[in-house]
Amino acid sequence: DQQVKQNSPSLSVQEGRISILNCDYTNSMFDYFLWYKKYPAEGPTFLISISSIKDKNEDGRFTVFLNKSAKHLSLHIVPSQPGDSAVYFCAADTYNDMRFGAGTRLTVKP
Amino acid sequence: EAGVTQSPTHLIKTRGQQATLRCSPISGHTSVYWYQQALGLGLQFLLWYDEGEERNRGNFPPRFSGRQFPNYSSELNVNALELEDSALYLCASSTGTVRRNTIYFGEGSWLTVV
Repeated sequence: DQQVKQNSPSLSVQEGRISILNCDYTNSMFDYFLWYKKYPAEGPTFLISISSIKDKNEDGRFTVFLNKSAKHLSLHIVPSQPGDSAVYFCAADTYNDMRFGAGTRLTVKP
Repeated sequence: EAGVTQSPTHLIKTRGQQATLRCSPISGHTSVYWYQQALGLGLQFLLWYDEGEERNRGNFPPRFSGRQFPNYSSELNVNALELEDSALYLCASSTGTVRRNTIYFGEGSWLTVV
């Protein structure tokens, strides 16, 4: 069962522009949400997270937005840089269960 | 400080055989998680161990099993290998007592079943 969905397998943006990656979830028990970034031949690395009591969390160029009523979250990267090119995984967490989406491959063109 | 280490990096097995993958967590971490990433798919949760006990299990058949040792290292066993078990197997660790934004992944073990 796909409780966390990333419907866009890939995204291409120009350097300096905004990248918006989207994620939807179905289980209302999830109360913590995370984004991970993965380069080829490396394990995923934690990027940013948000608790369900918030609707926005910002860390430098990265901002995560949470819309609980729509069960939707998004990751904004502004400005996008070529080094941001990677696969981004959305994750949703309850205390004993963390589920990941299928990932979105972001390509930032110079 | 050493990160999460996994071995072997690559493993080739034939259908029907057994595979064993190993994971050493970050020092001080008591929780170990196993995920499967098949080609084109996301990270599928397999198992979570904490303090030597299985805490949760994903939607995988019983031939996927594992254990956690007293030093918190872990191994994942896959019996009666099938072709579709070919995937990247990722291990992650955390302190187990805080929100899992501190989950750290290893670089994974590639399992190929021929």
